[in-house]
Amino acid sequence: EVQLVESGGSLVQPGGSLRLSCAASGFTFSSDSMNWVRQAPGKGLEWVSYISSNSRSIYYADSVKGRFTISRDNDKNSLYLQMYSLRAEDTATYYCARDSVVWGFFDYWGQGTPVTVSS
Amino acid sequence: DIQMTQSPSSLSASVGDRVTIACRASHFISNFLNWYQQKPGKAPNLLVYGASNLLSGVPSRFSGSGSGTDFTLTISGLQPEDSAIYYCQQSYNTPPFTFGPGTKVDIK
Repeated sequence: EVQLVESGGSLVQPGGSLRLSCAASGFTFSSDSMNWVRQAPGKGLEWVSYISSNSRSIYYADSVKGRFTISRDNDKNSLYLQMYSLRAEDTATYYCARDSVVWGFFDYWGQGTPVTVSS
Repeated sequence: DIQMTQSPSSLSASVGDRVTIACRASHFISNFLNWYQQKPGKAPNLLVYGASNLLSGVPSRFSGSGSGTDFTLTISGLQPEDSAIYYCQQSYNTPPFTFGPGTKVDIK
């Protein structure tokens, strides 16, 4: 059974940093591209970042470029999102999601981890 | 970047009704269009990929159609458990991936 379990979300002050993790199991993690998607309270889905299976291709949404860093450790079956210079508008539930390379759909999602940026 | 719009933003329908949700892309995306269902407090679930391919295990009352810039998700015979928000997502020449703003479906 495919499982994605996010962790690391918490309350952080504006300007602070946070590192999210996503533990993967039930599939060959090292073969699949991964993404972070976020959802602000009561709002829609926003794609945040993409990383290819071998970490050679990385992309970010303009809203987080220069402040967030995506990475992965295929030996540990884990995906990460390092977030710096956090703003109130980064407040959201953050989901990790597996990417289908061919069609680009997200077929498996974690349960999400909440991040609140507030003083 | 490709922008996605959806209509209507919300709808209310009765059990057994046929419901149609529209999604439009700002540029040509071929059939790289996916549909998700999200229930309160839960992660989204993929329903349809490639505009018209139903994911295994998804009830056959769901169907998708369209290509180019205009797409639809149809629920034929609405059920109480279909109350949710539905999002379209384009995956053409990505990243960035783009989601539509969502359509909330309520049961009367």
